[in-house]
Amino acid sequence: EVQLVESGGGLVQPGGSLRLSCAASGFTFSRYWMSWVRQAPGKGLEWVANIKKDGSEKYYVDSVKGRFTISRDNAKNSLYLQMNSLRAEDTAVYYCAIIMGGDYWGQGTRVTVSS
Amino acid sequence: DIQMTQTPSTLSASVGDRVTITCRASQSISSWLAWYQQKPGKAPKLLIYKASSLESGVPSRFSGSGSGTEFTLTISSLQPDDFATYYCQQYNTNSLITFGPGTKVDIK
Repeated sequence: EVQLVESGGGLVQPGGSLRLSCAASGFTFSRYWMSWVRQAPGKGLEWVANIKKDGSEKYYVDSVKGRFTISRDNAKNSLYLQMNSLRAEDTAVYYCAIIMGGDYWGQGTRVTVSS
Repeated sequence: DIQMTQTPSTLSASVGDRVTITCRASQSISSWLAWYQQKPGKAPKLLIYKASSLESGVPSRFSGSGSGTEFTLTISSLQPDDFATYYCQQYNTNSLITFGPGTKVDIK
């Protein structure tokens, strides 16, 4: 069974940093592009970032470029999102997901940026 | 960047109704469009990919059509389990993905 389990969310002050992790199991992690998708409270879905199977290509939505970094460790079956210079508008549930070549989502981890 | 719009933003319907949601892309995306269903507090669920291909396990009352810049999701006979929010998503390239703003289908 495919499982994606996010962790690392929480409350952080504006300007702060957080690192989200996603532990993958039940499939061959290195064969899939991986994504982070977020959803602000009461709002729609927003794609945040993608990373290629081997980590050689990374893409971001404009609003997080230069602040967020997606990475992966195929040996550990793990996906990460390093979030720096956080803003109030980054407050959301963050999902780890396979949305290319599949449809698997984690349960989400909540990030709240507030003073 | 490719922008996606959806109409309507909210749709009130009754069980048994035929429901159609429209999604438009700001430029041609060929057939690289997916439709998702999301219920409150849950992760989205893929319904349709490549504009008209039904995801395995999804009821046949769901169908998708369109290409280029205009797409539709149709629910042929709305069921109680279908009251949810629906999102289109373009994946014209692996590099940049965009979701539409969503259409909430609620009970009339």
